[in-house]
Amino acid sequence: GENVEQHPSTLSVQEGDSAVIKCTYSDSASNYFPWYKQELGKGPQLIIDIRSNVGEKKDQRIAVTLNKTAKHFSLHITETQPEDSAVYFCAASGSGGGADGLTFGKGTHLIIQP
Amino acid sequence: DTAVSQTPKYLVTQMGNDKSIKCEQNLGHDTMYWYKQDSKKFLKIMFSYNNKELIINETVPNRFSPKSPDKAHLNLHINSLELGDSAVYFCASSHGLAGGPTQYFGPGTRLTVL
Repeated sequence: GENVEQHPSTLSVQEGDSAVIKCTYSDSASNYFPWYKQELGKGPQLIIDIRSNVGEKKDQRIAVTLNKTAKHFSLHITETQPEDSAVYFCAASGSGGGADGLTFGKGTHLIIQP
Repeated sequence: DTAVSQTPKYLVTQMGNDKSIKCEQNLGHDTMYWYKQDSKKFLKIMFSYNNKELIINETVPNRFSPKSPDKAHLNLHINSLELGDSAVYFCASSHGLAGGPTQYFGPGTRLTVL
């Protein structure tokens, strides 16, 4: 089955700086890669996703890049703000058809220092 | 206007008891999921239901049984609860589209087994 590795487990950045979280996946048939943000006591919330036919996607301060050859994808957050502090999860799915569950990475605790 | 809702939010019970967690989505999705998040925040797929059929069962003990009375509901029944079942359980839903459907998560149910 799919295995997703995520690094780093904790990331502390100064407010206004950029943050980058990296993930690798094992199943070359995976074709959908979402990123979720989880705040304390809440459910995961989708912030951006990318499909395997696209190399990069951007939404305001958030961008995701995908390298299918290397089986690697990354989340980039620019101009970080205190409200960006949360746990971020990458995930992969798609090799099994339309109703796949997501395979998650172990999460990155992002801390924005004021 | 809650998209995916779960009840209860907190559940404290004794070992050996039987309990249920309810999930409802008002998004018109045809696929629903249950995920378990352990104490280390690791999220793992347990089940998915598409048109009332079980699609995935990721080596979950048969003490856990999902039940879907209709497309908008997927309840989780747990028999003979064990200490290791303590976790946060998340329900999610999506359209069953090929190529990786976007999954929307509920707020979670924190289960504590004493």
